[in-house]
Amino acid sequence: ILNVEQSPQSLHVQEGDSTNFTCSFPSSNFYALHWYRWETAKSPEALFVMTLNGDEKKKGQISATLNTKEGYSYLYIKGSQPEDSATYLCAFGSGKLTFGTGTRLTIIP
Amino acid sequence: EPEVTQTPSHQVTQMGQEVILRCVPISNHLYFYWYRQILGQKVEFLVSFYNNEISEKSEIFDDQFSVERPDGSNFTLKIRSTKLEDSAMYFCASTGLLSYEQYFGPGTRLTVT
Repeated sequence: ILNVEQSPQSLHVQEGDSTNFTCSFPSSNFYALHWYRWETAKSPEALFVMTLNGDEKKKGQISATLNTKEGYSYLYIKGSQPEDSATYLCAFGSGKLTFGTGTRLTIIP
Repeated sequence: EPEVTQTPSHQVTQMGQEVILRCVPISNHLYFYWYRQILGQKVEFLVSFYNNEISEKSEIFDDQFSVERPDGSNFTLKIRSTKLEDSAMYFCASTGLLSYEQYFGPGTRLTVT
């Protein structure tokens, strides 16, 4: 059984501060690592798909890194805004995705 | 921008009844998926579908579940005889050829009473 873990489970951050959280996954049989941003009552929105060890991806103020050898990925948000409040999910695999529990981020104005 | 749509957004049904959850994937996508999230738990994979057949299914996807692509646009999940433990948010997703990125719909919240 694949185990994908995310930490922390929830996070409160002051507006303007930067933050990061972690996804850990099995380091063997790696295909891809996905990050999604999910707001309540909306579709989970794909942020990044990362496939290569050492990958770094960036979208606006959000970036992610990938270490497949040790089985972790970090998601960073620089200068967080209230609209960044959401649950951030990571998922491991291609085709069948195995999800972590998510990190629920709340930005305090 | 193309998006995956799902109907209904919320379905309430009685235990033992059949339900059909509907999804319209992105039009040129070829791979289709159903996932579910029971409240407080992780999103979990149910089934993947390609070329009009199931390509992979999880242990959850037993004989009570079936999927179908009845025409060129819809992708449905049928639960034949619902149980209380089927109450969950059900998500549909689709992917294009040569892509890992899965696009998700907004989900259908199924409540079995």
